[in-house]
Amino acid sequence: SAVISQKPSRDICQRGTSLTIQCQVDSQVTMMFWYRQQPGQSLTLIATANQGSEATYESGFVIDKFPISRPNLTFSTLTVSNLSPEDSSIYLCSVEEYTDTQYFGPGTRLTVL
Amino acid sequence: DAKTTQPNSMESNEEEPVHLPCNHSTISGTDYIHWYRQLPSQGPEYVIHGLTSNVNNRMASLAIAEDRKSSTLILHRATLRDAAVYYCILKTGAGSYQLTFGKGTKLSVIP
Repeated sequence: SAVISQKPSRDICQRGTSLTIQCQVDSQVTMMFWYRQQPGQSLTLIATANQGSEATYESGFVIDKFPISRPNLTFSTLTVSNLSPEDSSIYLCSVEEYTDTQYFGPGTRLTVL
Repeated sequence: DAKTTQPNSMESNEEEPVHLPCNHSTISGTDYIHWYRQLPSQGPEYVIHGLTSNVNNRMASLAIAEDRKSSTLILHRATLRDAAVYYCILKTGAGSYQLTFGKGTKLSVIP
């Protein structure tokens, strides 16, 4: 099974700034996903990131606010831009393996003041 | 995406079996039934999945109704570590990667 790490594990940011979250996988994977989990809520898919192509965003999420990079098969970044307190959430990346199973990172807890 | 319905919360005594139900009356023929769980302060982890037949693995068993409109995740012997939110998710067959999380069932395990 894939092992996923995320950096940072948590951060406190001022409104108007940006935070870039890194996701590193210990094996090469085609599909990577970014989710948001707002306080006390379930997970919501932000976008799907394939290596070598632009990310595909879900309804309600736009590239200007959540730019994603996927430079190779083991790494991706999600930036949350122009932060507001409503962006305070846990952000998680995941990958899907050929076994039809998704593996999730531990998450990045973002607090915006 | 086809929708699932789960109880908001359930309780179980430690070392007893737990049956977590899930209704999915609008399931299509190509939808797989997946279960994930999220322990406190962690990312979700895969538990089990199936299409039509009952499935077993080291973590749990999945019992699927004959009409596939409902399923039950069975933890054979609950431990304190099994306290988590359990998500029942329908995932379209080959070529579909998206997981759509509902609210899930919060399982509490009583020592």
